Amino acid sequence: AQKITQTQPGMFVQEKEAVTLDCTYDTSDPSYGLFWYKQPSSGEMIFLIYQGSYDQQNATEGRYSLNFQKARKSANLVISASQLGDSAMYFCAMREPLSNSGYALNFGKGTSLLVTP
Amino acid sequence: DVKVTQSSRYLVKRTGEKVFLECVQDMDHENMFWYRQDPGLGLRLIYFSYDVKMKEKGDIPEGYSVSREKKERFSLILESASTNQTSMYLCASSLRQIYTEAFFGQGTRLTVV
Repeated sequence: AQKITQTQPGMFVQEKEAVTLDCTYDTSDPSYGLFWYKQPSSGEMIFLIYQGSYDQQNATEGRYSLNFQKARKSANLVISASQLGDSAMYFCAMREPLSNSGYALNFGKGTSLLVTP
Repeated sequence: DVKVTQSSRYLVKRTGEKVFLECVQDMDHENMFWYRQDPGLGLRLIYFSYDVKMKEKGDIPEGYSVSREKKERFSLILESASTNQTSMYLCASSLRQIYTEAFFGQGTRLTVV
């Protein structure tokens, strides 16, 4: 079963505007971590932001913030004041316990963001 | 800086060949991962290792095996390469804790002809 769902294959946003990238997840474990990564056309995977399941506050890192709604099982990424360099693929990922073997890391299918001038 | 290094950036192999993809990390991470990335499908977990000689199957282990004889090295093996294994392969490593992010290698683009 799909554990991470990103429903927006592609998004457009104008420079300097804010954009929200959606992510919903599925887990029955109370302890998990949610991550967002950026993959520009160069192919490198860049870690952006993390949210723990027990964190009370929504995570923020510079222009990135995470709108974490635990009851809805959603962890949407908000990018404020978009820049041309934000054009990239964005992936939502979840770490959850895997029996006694540590924590696997599963990704969604990604959202392609294009920032226009 | 954490460094995850994959042995090749590009590989071309023939159908039926045995293929080794090597990944080395220099930060003493317990966890290592192999993913394949295909357009529209995101990153799919092939195998995951949580310690030396320990491994867990991911979502798509068929046609692959792995080896982790040393903590810093995690190898992905295609026993008999097929054209449907043409893909981008990404290796990652992380500490064991749930709140720690994974660090990725630069990827290996494998073409099986």
